[in-house]
Amino acid sequence: EAAVTQSPRNKVAVTGGKVTLSCNQTNNHNNMYWYRQDTGHGLRLIHYSYGAGSTEKGDIPDGYKASRPSQENFSLILELATPSQTSVYFCASGQGASAETLYFGSGTRLTVL
Amino acid sequence: GQQVKQSSPSLTVQEGGISILNCDYENDMFDYFAWYKKYPDNSPTLLISVRSNVDKREDGRLTVFLNKSGKHFSLHITASQPEDTAVYLCAAGQGGSAKLIFGEGTKLTVSS
Repeated sequence: EAAVTQSPRNKVAVTGGKVTLSCNQTNNHNNMYWYRQDTGHGLRLIHYSYGAGSTEKGDIPDGYKASRPSQENFSLILELATPSQTSVYFCASGQGASAETLYFGSGTRLTVL
Repeated sequence: GQQVKQSSPSLTVQEGGISILNCDYENDMFDYFAWYKKYPDNSPTLLISVRSNVDKREDGRLTVFLNKSGKHFSLHITASQPEDTAVYLCAAGQGGSAKLIFGEGTKLTVSS
């Protein structure tokens, strides 16, 4: 069974603070993704990665950094959190050179006050 | 701009009826098309997908229709059931790229 684990499940941060969202996958998939989900926008791609050491910008990368130190781990970093980054964040993993089936984590609900 | 678009934010269907969910895309290089299902407070899961070399794919009550010239694909759910009530997200991708782009989602409600 594919397994993508996100931590924390819930996070409250203050404006201007640094936030790190973590994701671990045990699928041995090459590709990993960070999306955010907002009402009316569906899932929007922030960053993705083809493997350890690789990070690529998605459609809405501004205000976010990503880090892929290993095959298993992919982090999303908000250096200076803003209230507009309040959202639910989903991590996913997938295999292959092209996007195919993605396996999602349970999501992290981030509130920036 | 939105590369993958679902123009209907919501749809209500009677139990036993056919649910038709629609998705339009802009990039004619897309060659992979998928539908994901998402329950509230849960993560999206893949329902069905097709490559651009076919116009239709069936899997039980689910059928995906692909209209490449119209840059449009749809999901048909026959014999709709209350447990089909969920948000349905369409997605598209391009060969050689891991990037998968999602639409805004359509909330389907199947009423009994």
